[in-house]
Amino acid sequence: DIVMTQSPDSLAVSLGERATINCKSSQTVLYSGNNKNSLAWYQQKPGQPPKLLISWTSARQSGVPDRFSGSGSGTDFTLTISSLQAEDVAVYYCQQHYSIPLTFGGGTRVEIK
Amino acid sequence: QVQLQQSGPGLVKPSQTLSLTCAISGDSVSSKSSAWNWIRQSPSRGLEWLGRTYYRSEWYNDYAVSVKGRIIINPDTSKNQFSLQLNSVTPEDTAIYYCARGFDLDHWGQGTPVTVSS
Repeated sequence: DIVMTQSPDSLAVSLGERATINCKSSQTVLYSGNNKNSLAWYQQKPGQPPKLLISWTSARQSGVPDRFSGSGSGTDFTLTISSLQAEDVAVYYCQQHYSIPLTFGGGTRVEIK
Repeated sequence: QVQLQQSGPGLVKPSQTLSLTCAISGDSVSSKSSAWNWIRQSPSRGLEWLGRTYYRSEWYNDYAVSVKGRIIINPDTSKNQFSLQLNSVTPEDTAIYYCARGFDLDHWGQGTPVTVSS
């Protein structure tokens, strides 16, 4: 199984400041079919299911604000919130969709400082 | 737009069977470009993928090793839905259960909290 390791576990950022979340996979998730890394990011708010923000490392889903961006290569990936808003308070998860079993990181809680 | 609506009991006795259903609207369980997953979430295990079913001229299933032998995921083409059956449950199976579409999981059901208790 591919192990996904996120850091930090929690993060407190001032409104308008940048938040950066890291995710490391235990092996490559590079899909040869499109030469893209099969890495997704989700946002989960209390009482709700996870919401897909980004897939294929950097492809934002429709309706996701452009302050959310994903990057990375190899086994190291990053989710950046460029200017934190109050509505971004949530837990964020990375997930690899390269191989079965699909696996998730442990989550990063983002709060307002 | 795609919507997934879950149904099923929230309380199951130990050693019995957990059964949940996920009704699909806006897509087809028989789509050759989709896959239909069950995932659970608990404080101890985090987000845990359990398995999936998908159609590519025939039906396929994949299951997590942690539940293999206890799990069945079945499509129901007549109702455009799919189901989860988890046998011989224990308190460790207590979790919120979700259905979701795809490989990157772009649509999720609302979640069903399931407690395993006598």
